[in-house]
Amino acid sequence: DAGVTQSPTHLIKTRGQQVTLRCSPKSGHDTVSWYQQALGQGPQFIFQYYEEEERQRGNFPDRFSGHQFPNYSSELNVNALLLGDSALYLCASSFGPRTGAYFTSYNEQFFGPGTRLTVL
Amino acid sequence: DAKTTQPTSMDCAEGRAANLPCNHSTISGNEYVYWYRQIHSQGPQYIIHGLKNNETNEMASLIITEDRKSSTLILPHATLRDTAVYYCIVLVSGTYKYIFGTGTRLKVLA
Repeated sequence: DAGVTQSPTHLIKTRGQQVTLRCSPKSGHDTVSWYQQALGQGPQFIFQYYEEEERQRGNFPDRFSGHQFPNYSSELNVNALLLGDSALYLCASSFGPRTGAYFTSYNEQFFGPGTRLTVL
Repeated sequence: DAKTTQPTSMDCAEGRAANLPCNHSTISGNEYVYWYRQIHSQGPQYIIHGLKNNETNEMASLIITEDRKSSTLILPHATLRDTAVYYCIVLVSGTYKYIFGTGTRLKVLA
């Protein structure tokens, strides 16, 4: 059973460019979250996708956008790249609730290996 | 958002118990505490979680104080492979997002 997979592993871009990162969730999971981890810091929540919609968003500008496909895989897009966008981008998958109510009990997230983005 | 405070770093001798503390004094009554660890810039790995009662699994034990303002993760017999950054996280009530702090860098010494 494959875990969470992300592509590419590494990426180098220049300021002003656009980038797309991809994530395939663990088998059976339907919810995907994206995190940004700067060097020496803990991961920061970007947003979460469930049923192909953005369910919640962290404190990130609109340059960061995403998409979830019917097979539950997801993309993270970043426009107009800045030097400060250089980071490890992590994808995490989990089971989502069925009722639409907030689910704050057992919600273990499985993280992928990440995509290392360098902006020059 | 509920915040957690952890020591920046700790050392532990191989084979001994590693006790990693976490302060979460603003936690609400229905918010869970989760622990993850991250080894050398890999993706974080789930360890354990709890609400009020102490919890134990094959990896670790979690001790939560009665007032729930702090908790301790215990690795009973630390090995060199347990060297990692350990994150204590509170899943904010009514949201889906983990709030990570800067974590504790645990170094297990031979």
